[in-house]
Amino acid sequence: GAGVSQSPSNKVTEKGKDVELRCDPISGHTALYWYRQSLGQGLEFLIYFQGNSAPDKSGLPSDRFSAERTGGSVSTLTIQRTQQEDSAVYLCASRGAGGGTQYFGPGTRLTVL
Amino acid sequence: AQRVTQPEKLLSVFKGAPVELKCNYSYSGSPELFWYVQYSRQRLQLLLRHISRESIKGFTADLNKGETSFHLKKPFAQEEDSAMYYCALSSWGAQKLVFGQGTRLTINP
Repeated sequence: GAGVSQSPSNKVTEKGKDVELRCDPISGHTALYWYRQSLGQGLEFLIYFQGNSAPDKSGLPSDRFSAERTGGSVSTLTIQRTQQEDSAVYLCASRGAGGGTQYFGPGTRLTVL
Repeated sequence: AQRVTQPEKLLSVFKGAPVELKCNYSYSGSPELFWYVQYSRQRLQLLLRHISRESIKGFTADLNKGETSFHLKKPFAQEEDSAMYYCALSSWGAQKLVFGQGTRLTINP
């Protein structure tokens, strides 16, 4: 079946603009994660959705970052007033119920000029 | 605090030689440990997890709780093993992953 998909694959924006990144998880997966992969910080957890529970937002670096998951499926990560340090590859992953492997998407490469 | 340390950013070995990628962790409890691999121009994918105790692509990793290590080993490296390798941990149930900084493995012909 189809894996995790993310769009856009690349996004170039100007400092101060808002951006939205989209993640389509594997159908039926109840858990969804966002991570950030950057040169200076490596791979960092951002936020985690599990079913109808309140999301774990403990990894969001500032209040400019937010995410939502509509209908238990698609998720959108929003970054407001982007800064140059937000430049990174944003990865989404999903996992089925009962634990197990996280399956990663191809990522969105964000460049803030 | 949860932490994963991969001391080697770069590792280069010759084809046919043994490979060991080091991983140490810090966690108060019983974590679940993973190795993820990212081949050139491909997405991050799971290589193996400690609870499976299986060998994938000739790689094995043993969890050593006394030394808090989860080193990845392969007795005979192949050129197709060249990739970026990440060690990661999660707490049982939470499943969010804490990653090490990664080791770029290059296998020379």
